Amino acid sequence: DIQLTQSPSSVSASVGDRVTITCRASQGINKWLAWYQQKPGRAPKLLIYAASSLQLGVPSRFSGSGSGTEFTLTISSLQPEDFASYYCQQANSFPLTFGGGTKVDIK
Amino acid sequence: QITLKESGPTLVRPTQTLTLTCTFSGFSLTTGSGLGVGWIRQPPGKALEWLAVVFWDDDKRFSPSLKNRVTITLDTPKTQVVFTMTDVDPVDTATYYCARRMAMGPFDLWGQGTMVAVSS
Repeated sequence: DIQLTQSPSSVSASVGDRVTITCRASQGINKWLAWYQQKPGRAPKLLIYAASSLQLGVPSRFSGSGSGTEFTLTISSLQPEDFASYYCQQANSFPLTFGGGTKVDIK
Repeated sequence: QITLKESGPTLVRPTQTLTLTCTFSGFSLTTGSGLGVGWIRQPPGKALEWLAVVFWDDDKRFSPSLKNRVTITLDTPKTQVVFTMTDVDPVDTATYYCARRMAMGPFDLWGQGTMVAVSS
């Protein structure tokens, strides 16, 4: 199984801050990584797929990069509605796996 | 409008079988679409865990950790996916989500989730 390690597990930030979350895969997954946002009591929402493709309707302040084993999700200017948990997921091979999550909260 | 909705029991006794149904609309698992419908769960306060997926051609994949306990069925006329898990345990307490899987891709659309507690 491909393990995904997210870091940090939590981050405190202020509105307007730039936030970067890293996801490392235990083996190469090409570009087949997705990022999700999840707010309390809600289903996850797809933000980024294929490492860097922005899902329709997602604000452009979200961006993804990387390939192989290291990936990043960047929020260029944190907005109040961005305080949430974020998960990466590899779609390269079965079994599909998710990272452990990163919680972004208010400093 | 594309929607997915999970339904099933909120409480299951240990050792029983859990059956959940995902009813979807606004898309179909047509021949060659590459689409699938999967199940993902999330124990309270924990991370997401992928469980199973069924594709348009009835190809099925399962999490190795649950493979002997779970089944997934695409019901004709391909508007429902039924997920079953046998011999449940309190550690199976979680919110269970169904979601559409894009071809060679992520889960782009999710149901609202259904909370299932396993307790005697």
